[in-house]
Amino acid sequence: LAKTTQPISMDSYEGQEVNITCSHNNIATNDYITWYQQFPSQGPRFIIQGYKTKVTNEVASLFIPADRKSSTLSLPRVSLSDTAVYYCLVGDRMNSGYSTLTFGKGTMLLVSP
Amino acid sequence: DTEVTQTPKHLVMGMTNKKSLKCEQHMGHRAMYWYKQKAKKPPELMFVYSYEKLSINESVPSRFSPECPNSSLLNLHLHALQPEDSALYLCASSQGVFGATEAFFGQGTRLTVV
Repeated sequence: LAKTTQPISMDSYEGQEVNITCSHNNIATNDYITWYQQFPSQGPRFIIQGYKTKVTNEVASLFIPADRKSSTLSLPRVSLSDTAVYYCLVGDRMNSGYSTLTFGKGTMLLVSP
Repeated sequence: DTEVTQTPKHLVMGMTNKKSLKCEQHMGHRAMYWYKQKAKKPPELMFVYSYEKLSINESVPSRFSPECPNSSLLNLHLHALQPEDSALYLCASSQGVFGATEAFFGQGTRLTVV
């Protein structure tokens, strides 16, 4: 089963760039890497997804090295509203043989003024 | 419409009650999921429906009974729950099946069992 490891927490200040790294040493060949953001008492929200190299959208960038055993979510110029838990997910092959999304412990990002 | 709508938002039920949680999406997604989330913990996968058929049941106790009446609706029937079942119950849907695509989550139902 693919598992992910992330830092439990990170602190930053407004306007800084934040990079959160996730390890997924057992990622399968056909697995994508997906990041979600979650605020308290709300459902997780999709941020970005990638398979290899670099992906960028309007809110974040995702860097994936060639061996795909890790990935880094980059949030440019964070604001107070980026304080949330960030989850890195890869496909997790269940006992049934199917692969689906299971969440690791996530990273609590605290942005201060 | 990129919303997953869950009702009710809050639910308090006794241990002998029967209640249902509802989830609806109109994005044409073929996979729908139920997750359970306890305070300060990550969401835990409970069930996955693919093309309206139950594909994954993560050893969930039988007091939780999922149902997928059609491709837009997902229910979770609750019966004889325990206080430790109190949690945020999240529904999600995705176009692709099994993790290859973006999943949309609802806001959840906050369940309290008394």
